[in-house]
Amino acid sequence: DSGVTQTPKHLITATGQRVTLRCSPRSGDLSVYWYQQSLDQGLQFLIQYYNGEERAKGNILERFSAQQFPDLHSELNLSSLELGDSALYFCASSVGRGAGTGELFFGEGSRLTVL
Amino acid sequence: LAKTTQPISMDSYEGQEVNITCSHNNIATNDYITWYQQFPSQGPRFIIQGYKTKVTNEVASLFIPADRKSSTLSLPRVSLSDTAVYYCLVGPANAGNMLTFGGGTRLMVKP
Repeated sequence: DSGVTQTPKHLITATGQRVTLRCSPRSGDLSVYWYQQSLDQGLQFLIQYYNGEERAKGNILERFSAQQFPDLHSELNLSSLELGDSALYFCASSVGRGAGTGELFFGEGSRLTVL
Repeated sequence: LAKTTQPISMDSYEGQEVNITCSHNNIATNDYITWYQQFPSQGPRFIIQGYKTKVTNEVASLFIPADRKSSTLSLPRVSLSDTAVYYCLVGPANAGNMLTFGGGTRLMVKP
């Protein structure tokens, strides 16, 4: 158990819909990262938040948005869903601002299926 | 961010030592090298991290030559449960960096 909690574990929805994925980081971790992993693909970095502020942005689509709340949990909002958005979405957390040293702790992921 | 190159896949047998090499020719002075392990449908798990020379922990060793343009993850006496994808990441410790996971190396351990 990494200490990172993601909900829901599974989600099935239709094209055009909007979903929200939630992540609770490990206690004490200030950074939250979101990654997308499509079938048999590597992890694509989407976005990072540190203590409530956006810290780094990767290949995140304009239809996607995220935020980190004062209690440090984070939400990833995916809208106008397309079939290609079907993937595993991972949240990770770390203590500091940068993940070059130390560990990223990953949650078990949220599997999104868009039909 | 330094780009990394790893073999796409490797096969091994139980009890053997496995060495996975990662190339990172444009590694920067302040970059660290980190390896993660991922099982199917699970989040990656940190294995080991280093900056130079050799680092060893209870599960693996990491060898980094003096020029730091490559690194080798060594898994001693692998078992079937070591079958996974292994990612090599290179990135700075400073604020605002984003870790990019490449394609990784798919290790298959056979009985």
